[in-house]
Amino acid sequence: DTGVSQDPRHKITKRGQNVTFRCDPISEHNRLYWYRQTLGQGPEFLTYFQNEAQLEKSRLLSDRFSAERPKGSFSTLEIQRTEQGDSAMYLCASSLASGTEQYFGPGTRLTVT
Amino acid sequence: AQTVTQSQPEMSVQEAETVTLSCTYDTSESDYYLFWYKQPPSRQMILVIRQEAYKQQNATENRFSVNFQKAAKSFSLKISDSQLGDAAMYFCAYRLPGGGADGLTFGKGTHLIIQP
Repeated sequence: DTGVSQDPRHKITKRGQNVTFRCDPISEHNRLYWYRQTLGQGPEFLTYFQNEAQLEKSRLLSDRFSAERPKGSFSTLEIQRTEQGDSAMYLCASSLASGTEQYFGPGTRLTVT
Repeated sequence: AQTVTQSQPEMSVQEAETVTLSCTYDTSESDYYLFWYKQPPSRQMILVIRQEAYKQQNATENRFSVNFQKAAKSFSLKISDSQLGDAAMYFCAYRLPGGGADGLTFGKGTHLIIQP
């Protein structure tokens, strides 16, 4: 068994470009979470899925952000028209069910130039 | 909204000594979970210990233990016999019991340095 994986690990993009990140949760985990972590801060919750349904979205998730989990397995997080303030580590986590431990992936570090 | 405060940006301890990391939180809920996560320099977050608010007994995991003071909304982490591998960022986190609101709320973290 492997843990939560994320791809890419690093992404450098120019302001205004769109980027997409992928997260593969631990197999059989039906909950998947996205967090954003900026330098010197703790992770901030963005959104989560139960299977393919997106159940909660933070107010941090502006309309430039969209997340999907089409078949209840992997998930993608897309940021449109990136801004320098989007530079951060984007963390994915998964859990077996509601209220159980969340296992984190290594993150995708986004740098917007 | 729930908030989590870690007032110690950095702590340093000699190897084999004991260190305590502080955490306070604010919530109007009576049922919730509290966690300490460790984030080593490779940045993959690992759960260290968890505490259910309805349990009066403090959680322990080997060298790690917590002091949970519900009335004071305080949740400190004690690391005994500190080891070099304990060096990391430590984050305190809060979560409601489940159902609709399942995201973790984290503090800003404490950078723990272990002096050999």
